Amino acid sequence: DTEVTQTPKHLVMGMTNKKSLKCEQHMGHRAMYWYKQKAKKPPELMFVYSYEKLSINESVPSRFSPECPNSSLLNLHLHALQPEDSALYLCASSQGELAGPTDTQYFGPGTRLTVL
Amino acid sequence: DAKTTQPPSMDCAEGRAANLPCNHSTISGNEYVYWYRQIHSQGPQYIIHGLKNNETNEMASLIITEDRKSSTLILPHATLRDTAVYYCIVHSNSGYALNFGKGTSLLVTP
Repeated sequence: DTEVTQTPKHLVMGMTNKKSLKCEQHMGHRAMYWYKQKAKKPPELMFVYSYEKLSINESVPSRFSPECPNSSLLNLHLHALQPEDSALYLCASSQGELAGPTDTQYFGPGTRLTVL
Repeated sequence: DAKTTQPPSMDCAEGRAANLPCNHSTISGNEYVYWYRQIHSQGPQYIIHGLKNNETNEMASLIITEDRKSSTLILPHATLRDTAVYYCIVHSNSGYALNFGKGTSLLVTP
């Protein structure tokens, strides 16, 4: 099973709202990722968690706040977003450092976010 | 990770083999070639990866040239559901970004 689930599938929020995106995997993976994908562009990395600790933050604005409450869950808390933050937000997971020379990332279906 | 070059678009008739090329002339010895695809508005789907030997799984075959500077993804019998953007990615490090590049938009026609 290589399933990564994400909720919600779609989210519409105003610029003053606070919302959260959720991601879950039960593959025993120890690395989890958030990517952002704008229309007609490839996905771009936002954050990486390794063993539930933030290991990479690709200079993402503080209005995006990731959280990894346990090894199966990854959240992305959203606050005071701008319309240009509208995008497809993708979660991925991989085995992490224990994978050896290859470490395949598996993606969820994404959350389509619209900021009004 | 090394950069990759792919044609922006390709067409393939349903039932025929789709051969998607990728150039990665600056690939280094410890980097693998990964292929993902993304069907419209869905998350990227892992297809296959390889180091230097040809690889085959239930979805596709991956042919890597001997000098490892290019590769070809083969979908042996393309169906309409194979219409997607196909990304060739060179990657070595666990826990780091996949650099997707622009990919090839494959259109499978009836």
